[in-house]
Amino acid sequence: NAGVTQTPKFRILKIGQSMTLQCAQDMNHNYMYWYRQDPGMGLKLIYYSVGAGITDKGEVPNGYNVSRSTTEDFPLRLELAAPSQTSVYFCASSYFGAGGGYTFGSGTRLTVV
Amino acid sequence: GIQVEQSPPDLILQEGANSTLRCNFSDSVNNLQWFHQNPWGQLINLFYIPSGTKQNGRLSATTVATERYSLLYISSSQTTDSGVYFCVGIQGAQKLVFGQGTRLTINP
Repeated sequence: NAGVTQTPKFRILKIGQSMTLQCAQDMNHNYMYWYRQDPGMGLKLIYYSVGAGITDKGEVPNGYNVSRSTTEDFPLRLELAAPSQTSVYFCASSYFGAGGGYTFGSGTRLTVV
Repeated sequence: GIQVEQSPPDLILQEGANSTLRCNFSDSVNNLQWFHQNPWGQLINLFYIPSGTKQNGRLSATTVATERYSLLYISSSQTTDSGVYFCVGIQGAQKLVFGQGTRLTINP
C-alpha cells in the first residue's frame, strides 16, 4: 500500500516554463487536495476535488490548474511559472466522512528561477 | 472566513520536559486535527479531535468546541518530537485550513 505518491520530489523551472506535478493515491479515497507550503509558513489550499470529474478552487488557485479524470490521480499544472510559485507542494487525500483519514504525500520542492 | 491561530510560535525544551500547545479557531471550523511535520518535511496525522479528549502514548489532545480552542500535550519529550505542530481546521467539504504552526525543538 503506497498511500499518496508525488512526483517529482525536486524540480527547478525557469520563469515562463510549464510543468505538471503528479499525485496518485491507491486508497480509493474520494477527496484529494493540493497545498503549497512557503518557508516558515503553514499550508495553503490550492485546489481540491471531491471525486472524479469534480474540482474546486481553494485559497490560492491563481497560476494553477487541476484535473481529476480518475479516482486515483490528481495532477497539478503550473502554466507560465513565476518566482512566486517557488514552494513545497503537498498532495493529500481523504475519505469523506472518515474524519481524520487524511494522508499526505512526501512533497515536491519546486524552485522557479 | 475560517481562522486558526496557534501559540506559542516557537518552543525550545530539554528532553524529558512536558509541553502544551494551544490552538484557537473560529466559529466556521466544524472539525479539528493536529499534525506533526517532522524535520524531513513529512506530515503525520496525530489526532482528529472535534471535541473531547484523546490520548496516544505520550501525546494527548483536548478540544473544547464551545470555547473554540484545542490543546496538544506532549509528555516526557524526546528529540524525535522535534518539528512543527500544526492545528488544522476543517470546513465544509473536507477543506483543511492550517494554522501557522508551533516549532518545537527538543534538545538532548
